[in-house]
Amino acid sequence: GESVGLHLPTLSVQEGDNSIINCAYSNSASDYFIWYKQESGKGPQFIIDIRSNMDKRQGQRVTVLLNKTVKHLSLQIAATQPGDSAVYFCAEIYYGQNFVFGPGTRLSVLP
Amino acid sequence: KAGVTQTPRYLIKTRGQQVTLSCSPISGHRSVSWYQQTPGQGLQFLFEYFSETQRNKGNFPGRFSGRQFSNSRSEMNVSTLELGDSALYLCASSSGGDRGLIEQFFGPGTRLTVL
Repeated sequence: GESVGLHLPTLSVQEGDNSIINCAYSNSASDYFIWYKQESGKGPQFIIDIRSNMDKRQGQRVTVLLNKTVKHLSLQIAATQPGDSAVYFCAEIYYGQNFVFGPGTRLSVLP
Repeated sequence: KAGVTQTPRYLIKTRGQQVTLSCSPISGHRSVSWYQQTPGQGLQFLFEYFSETQRNKGNFPGRFSGRQFSNSRSEMNVSTLELGDSALYLCASSSGGDRGLIEQFFGPGTRLTVL
């Protein structure tokens, strides 16, 4: 499959543990923030988004936290499973149309 | 529903040539966006087409262009290829509504290698 980000920071977690992936963003005018998952050989897959007027949003096994004071975004994955192994990207949208992606973090789930 | 398809999946070209990549969106989707992904620069937005019109554009030189057909299929063209254009080119489609850029579905990408 395709190799994505050969030199990305890697987070290794034990299966069943919770994972926290962090992202710093740059533009205080950003309207939306999005998390994507990209598995080897595939395109990014939408996980969850959060609007700039919120500080927390929960999905199925995932929670996104937004701290606008320090321009920080995090993705928490509960009870991490082997299928969660992938590269995770954050993205910000500002002025409704400008799309900027973070560099990505590789999540490795250990058995 | 079939997902986003991109052709070809792999392509090798030489410097100075031009290339055309194709994207077929999910049925009913009217918005198609293109992205470039490289190990060094990560994912970067190229442009978005909606109803055959370019609606948004990223910060890429004019050598990168695109178009969208009446059936929403889209093509991306890169002229006068440079070594630095080697990348995975991703296409994404969405309904184009209020959450258009937010809820996009990505294709598997076209891996372009420029020699």
